[in-house]
Amino acid sequence: SAVISQKPSRDICQRGTSLTIQCQVDSQVTMMFWYRQQPGQSLTLIATANQGSEATYESGFVIDKFPISRPNLTFSTLTVSNMSPEDSSIYLCSVEEPGQGHNEQFFGPGTRLTVL
Amino acid sequence: GEDVEQSLFLSVREGDSSVINCTYTDSSSTYLYWYKQEPGAGLQLLTYIFSNMDMKQDQRLTVLLNKKDKHLSLRIADTQTGDSAIYFCAESYDNQGGKLIFGQGTELSVKP
Repeated sequence: SAVISQKPSRDICQRGTSLTIQCQVDSQVTMMFWYRQQPGQSLTLIATANQGSEATYESGFVIDKFPISRPNLTFSTLTVSNMSPEDSSIYLCSVEEPGQGHNEQFFGPGTRLTVL
Repeated sequence: GEDVEQSLFLSVREGDSSVINCTYTDSSSTYLYWYKQEPGAGLQLLTYIFSNMDMKQDQRLTVLLNKKDKHLSLRIADTQTGDSAIYFCAESYDNQGGKLIFGQGTELSVKP
């Protein structure tokens, strides 16, 4: 499976600032996704990062708050804008790869964000 | 809408079998997955099952699917302390994987 890395691995930020999280894959992938895992919660899909076009956001998530870039098939960024303590979460990117008869989704190690 | 439910905690003794259960509501799910999340780590894909299968076995892992009751289970045989983690079930409702709907996760604690 693809090797996925994220930067930073963790950060502590002040309210009102923004943080950009990077996701790098060691091979070209078509589909990349960004998820949020709030403390003690499950994962929720934020958006699908589309290469060459705007990201597709899920209900409850908007581009102004979570702008996403996907400049090529191996890299994506997620920005958490104008942060508040409610944005404290683990943010994970994932990629889809062909498996046996269907596509499988693999996850990066996550970025643990704490907003004070 | 789609919903996936799991019990939150399970505690077993080393060497016993663990059974983690999951129910889902989307009858059009194509694939169902089990992921493992160890403390401070990302998610590791353990196994998956296609919705037209009843059972899938992979070494110590056995996945059972009851499509009529929309019930999925993961059995871990001979549970080890290294199996202690949070286990998430997830369903896909795009035919080629894509968007995943996750359950809340079951925290498995294995006591020596």
